[in-house]
Amino acid sequence: EDKVVQSPLSLVVHEGDTVTLNCSYEVTNFRSLLWYKQEKKAPTFLFMLTSSGIEKKSGRLSSILDKKELFSILNITATQTGDSAVYLCALSGGGADGLTFGKGTHLIIQP
Amino acid sequence: NAGVTQTPKFQVLKTGQSMTLQCAQDMNHNSMYWYRQDPGMGLRLIYYSASEGTTDKGEVPNGYNVSRLNKREFSLRLESAAPSQTSVYFCASSESPFGRISGDEQYFGPGTRLTVT
Repeated sequence: EDKVVQSPLSLVVHEGDTVTLNCSYEVTNFRSLLWYKQEKKAPTFLFMLTSSGIEKKSGRLSSILDKKELFSILNITATQTGDSAVYLCALSGGGADGLTFGKGTHLIIQP
Repeated sequence: NAGVTQTPKFQVLKTGQSMTLQCAQDMNHNSMYWYRQDPGMGLRLIYYSASEGTTDKGEVPNGYNVSRLNKREFSLRLESAAPSQTSVYFCASSESPFGRISGDEQYFGPGTRLTVT
């Protein structure tokens, strides 16, 4: 059974800080790892990672995958209050049976 | 281009009542999914449809049925609602999990908040 574990489950930091969110996984057939941001409503897509060591970057957010150690990290630099959200890590195992999600990291950015 | 739409946004049911949650996508995606999200449990897959005409059970299918009406629409039915089905329900779609890896990316609807009393 595929498994995704995110840490920490919650995190409170001040605006301007840098945060690192962790995602470790166990999977039978790895195809891709995805990060989503969820504010009040639907999860919105951030990154998809398929290869080890290649950083994906979008503005102040970046992510990298380590397929040997089975984890990924999501970094947010110079955090802003608008970054407050639940960040979800998900695995695609190569079939049509959806994504396996972690429980998420609830990030709160204080002004 | 609306993406994935869901109706209704909110619903309150009494135990034993039935209802259907509707989902539609306008991205010409092959695969569609229903998830539920509960506090502390993350998103869990209820049913999925890899392509038009096919449906399969996910992790938590008990108490639900689905219909892939056509390529655009995928509905979720609760035949006899129970308080344990109180949750937020999300529909999602993806291009295809069988082709290019970029097709794995799923797009989510705004969700339906369901309360069963």
